[in-house]
Amino acid sequence: NAGVTQTPKFRVLKTGQSMTLLCAQDMNHEYMYWYRQDPGMGLRLIHYSVGEGTTAKGEVPDGYNVSRLKKQNFLLGLESAAPSQTSVYFCASSKDDRVAGNTIYFGEGSWLTVV
Amino acid sequence: GQNIDQPTEMTATEGAIVQINCTYQTSGFNGLFWYQQHAGEAPTFLSYNVLDGLEEKGRFSSFLSRSKGYSYLLLKELQMKDSASYLCVSMDSNYQLIWGAGTKLIIKP
Repeated sequence: NAGVTQTPKFRVLKTGQSMTLLCAQDMNHEYMYWYRQDPGMGLRLIHYSVGEGTTAKGEVPDGYNVSRLKKQNFLLGLESAAPSQTSVYFCASSKDDRVAGNTIYFGEGSWLTVV
Repeated sequence: GQNIDQPTEMTATEGAIVQINCTYQTSGFNGLFWYQQHAGEAPTFLSYNVLDGLEEKGRFSSFLSRSKGYSYLLLKELQMKDSASYLCVSMDSNYQLIWGAGTKLIIKP
């Protein structure tokens, strides 16, 4: 019953540090997504993947990199963290994009603070 | 551009009815969704409309008018546990989800 698991749940970074958020899903989904959620704004898509070995830019990709080496894992990297990247990050997965609206599964979120 | 508009915050009384409105402008349309998000948690799916009209699911109903770019979520017999943010989400012609900022619903006893 794991679904989508993301780690870490909380992290404080200093400006300029790097880190990787890990996302794993056990539903054999092709599509995986990384979103950020900021106060007063909707979820914004950072990067997404339509299958193992593929990645694509979303709405706000700058400052982030991703990798999908295995179908079940989708990693989000911050090479040089900035205070503007303080946010809540959600990983999600879906069987495909056409049914993503009502069958997208979210992880529990990762709270990242950059000081 | 693509845009979702919904009120920032609403207050209602336990046991009452509340309607949360949403207007959307997206490049093409492949469905309108409502999600519930409790503080500190991930969004969870509530409803889906792709054709005009009302969809009812228990205490929650969702309405869609494609010609007006308008939807609403109706919550009946409000309970304290309904205190949450409600996110209006549109799917565009490329099957991308466009998320509204959410309406924070405060339920008072």
